[in-house]
Amino acid sequence: AQTVTQSQPEMSVQEAETVTLSCTYDTSENNYYLFWYKQPPSRQMILVIRQEAYKQQNATENRFSVNFQKAAKSFSLKISDSQLGDTAMYFCAFLIFSNNNDMRFGAGTRLTVKP
Amino acid sequence: KAGVTQTPRYLIKTRGQQVTLSCSPISGHRSVSWYQQTPGQGLQFLFEYFSETQRNKGNFPGRFSGRQFSNSRSEMNVSTLELGDSALYLCASSLTGTSYEQYFGPGTRLTVT
Repeated sequence: AQTVTQSQPEMSVQEAETVTLSCTYDTSENNYYLFWYKQPPSRQMILVIRQEAYKQQNATENRFSVNFQKAAKSFSLKISDSQLGDTAMYFCAFLIFSNNNDMRFGAGTRLTVKP
Repeated sequence: KAGVTQTPRYLIKTRGQQVTLSCSPISGHRSVSWYQQTPGQGLQFLFEYFSETQRNKGNFPGRFSGRQFSNSRSEMNVSTLELGDSALYLCASSLTGTSYEQYFGPGTRLTVT
C-alpha cells in the first residue's frame, strides 16, 4: 500500500525564522514523484516543490527546499526566512510514475507564521 | 492564461438528492482529476479523465461518477447524497496527464443536510 505520513498536525514559527515539516512515505515502487502542496485559507492548492525519486539532488525553489532521503523514505520541507504569507496547510503527496494521477496525500501540517 | 475554474463554489443539498459539479481545466490541458477533501479522511483521489476517457479511479462507491467532454471540461456527479459526502471537491488539470504538472482549482464546497 502506498501511504504518506505527516506526523506534525500543527507547527508554528516566528517570521524570518526557518521551519522544517516532516513527511515519510511507504512504497515498494522505485519510480515516483514527491510533492509539497500549500493550501492557504483560500483553499486553492498550490504546488510548492516537487522531487523526482530518481534524482539524488534535493529540489530547491527560492526559500523552499527539501531533504529527500530515498532509503529512509523521508521527504521533509524546509522553509527559510518564513513569511506571514506562508501560513497555510501543507500537504506532502506521492505519485507512482506508472499510476497516472492517483496521487496520495498526507493528512497535512497546519503551519502558522507569527509576526 | 486562466487557471482551473470550478463551479459552483458552494452548494447545499439534501440527503438523497444528486449533484453535478463542473471543472474547466487550463486551456490546452487534457487531463482532469477529481479529489475529495474532508477533515476526517483528508484528500482522496476520486478519478481521472484524459481525452474523454476515465483512466484511473479511486476507491469510491458507484454513486460517484464523472465524465469529460471534447473540450476537456469535466463534470462529476454524486447521486443519492449522504451526509458523509459533505466535503471540498477539488479538481486539477494537467497538460499531458502526468501529475507533476498538476494545477488545482479553488474547489466546490458541498454541504449535505
